[in-house]
Amino acid sequence: GENVEQHPSTLSVQEGDSAVIKCTYSDSASNYFPWYKQELGKRPQLIIDIRSNVGEKKDQRIAVTLNKTAKHFSLHITETQPEDSAVYFCAASNTGNQFYFGTGTSLTVIP
Amino acid sequence: GAVVSQHPSWVICKSGTSVKIECRSLDFQATTMFWYRQFPKQSLMLMATSNEGSKATYEQGVEKDKFLINHASLTLSTLTVTSAHPEDSSFYICSARETIRDTQYFGPGTRLTVL
Repeated sequence: GENVEQHPSTLSVQEGDSAVIKCTYSDSASNYFPWYKQELGKRPQLIIDIRSNVGEKKDQRIAVTLNKTAKHFSLHITETQPEDSAVYFCAASNTGNQFYFGTGTSLTVIP
Repeated sequence: GAVVSQHPSWVICKSGTSVKIECRSLDFQATTMFWYRQFPKQSLMLMATSNEGSKATYEQGVEKDKFLINHASLTLSTLTVTSAHPEDSSFYICSARETIRDTQYFGPGTRLTVL
């Protein structure tokens, strides 16, 4: 089955700096890669996703890149703000039915 | 759009009792819903996939007789934790597959505390 690894597990950045979270996956059949943000005690919220037919997608301060050959994808947050502090999860899916989640990255943005 | 609700948000029960958690897709129909368990500061652990009108598919190591799942309609799935014990205390989150975007949207979660 699919194995998704996520790094780093914790990340601290100064407000205004950029944050990058990386994930790798093992199943070359995976074709959908969503990213979720989860604040403490709340539900995971979909923040951005990418499908395997594109290499990059951007939404304001958030971008995701995908390298199918290397089987890795990354989340980039620019101009970080304190409200970006949360746990971020990547996931990989090849059917839309089952998502395989990474282990999460706890991001802290220091004011 | 794509809102998923979950009820209750927090439940405390005595050991040995059963607890039912509801997951509803409010503005879309979901033929597939998922149930996850999440421990503090850990990732989401898929427990089972719930398919409308058929039996749920359980992940390895999840007791189907303990965690009963019913997906009776296109907008409702229920998880019943039977004979709950303190080790069942956890955060249970459901999600529903939205077919237009073909992604999952999560419910707000249910915190279960078994005394």
